[in-house]
Amino acid sequence: GQNIDQPTEMTATEGAIVQINCTYQTSGFNGLFWYQQHAGEAPTFLSYNVLDGLEEKGRFSSFLSRSKGYSYLLLKELQMKDSASYLCAPRDSNYQLIWGAGTKLIIKP
Amino acid sequence: GAVVSQHPSWVICKSGTSVKIECRSLDFQATTMFWYRQFPKQSLMLMATSNEGSKATYEQGVEKDKFLINHASLTLSTLTVTSAHPEDSSFYICSAVGDERGPSGANVLTFGAGSRLTVL
Repeated sequence: GQNIDQPTEMTATEGAIVQINCTYQTSGFNGLFWYQQHAGEAPTFLSYNVLDGLEEKGRFSSFLSRSKGYSYLLLKELQMKDSASYLCAPRDSNYQLIWGAGTKLIIKP
Repeated sequence: GAVVSQHPSWVICKSGTSVKIECRSLDFQATTMFWYRQFPKQSLMLMATSNEGSKATYEQGVEKDKFLINHASLTLSTLTVTSAHPEDSSFYICSAVGDERGPSGANVLTFGAGSRLTVL
C-alpha cells in the first residue's frame, strides 16, 4: 500500500531551525512535493524534489533520498507566521499525489 | 504565478438542498482539476479527478450522483453537492494543473482557497 509518515506535531522557537522528516512508500515515484497549509486555508506550494539531494529556496530547503524513501523540509530563521501544517506529498506512478495528515508546526516566541 | 479562484469561500445551507462550488484557473489552462475534501486535523482526501470535456473519475467510496462534477472548459470546473446533509459539512478544496512546468520543473498543483460548507 501507499503510506506517508510524518510527525504529527513539532514545536520550535522563533529564530531557530527546524527539520520536518517524511518517509514514504508509494507505487512508483515521480517526485515529491512539500506544501504549507495554515489553519482553515488551502495548501500552498513550497518545494519539489525529483532527484536526490538538497533544493534550497530562501529560508526553506528540501532534501530527498529516493533509495531510502525519505525527505525532509528544513526551515531556517523561523518566524511566527511559519506556524502551520507542512504536508509531504510524493507522487506515484500514476502521477497522483499521495497525502498524509501533515506535521503541525508550532512556533513559540 | 498560477492562480486558482474558488467560490464561495463559505456556504451555509439547509439539509436537503444543493450547493454548487466553482473553481476557475485564472491565468492558465487547467487540463486537469482535482476536488478534495478535508475534515479538521485530517489529511486531504481526493474525491475526484476531472479532465476538460470528459467525465470525472471518482475515488472509491465517493458517490458520483451526490457529488456532481462538471469540467466544461479548460478554466472552469464545478462541484455540486446534491441533497446535502450535515455529514457533508466539510472543507472542499479544488486544485488545478496545467501543461506548463514551474521553475522547479514540476507540474505544480495549485489550490483554490477552499470552500467551507456547513449543512444545518
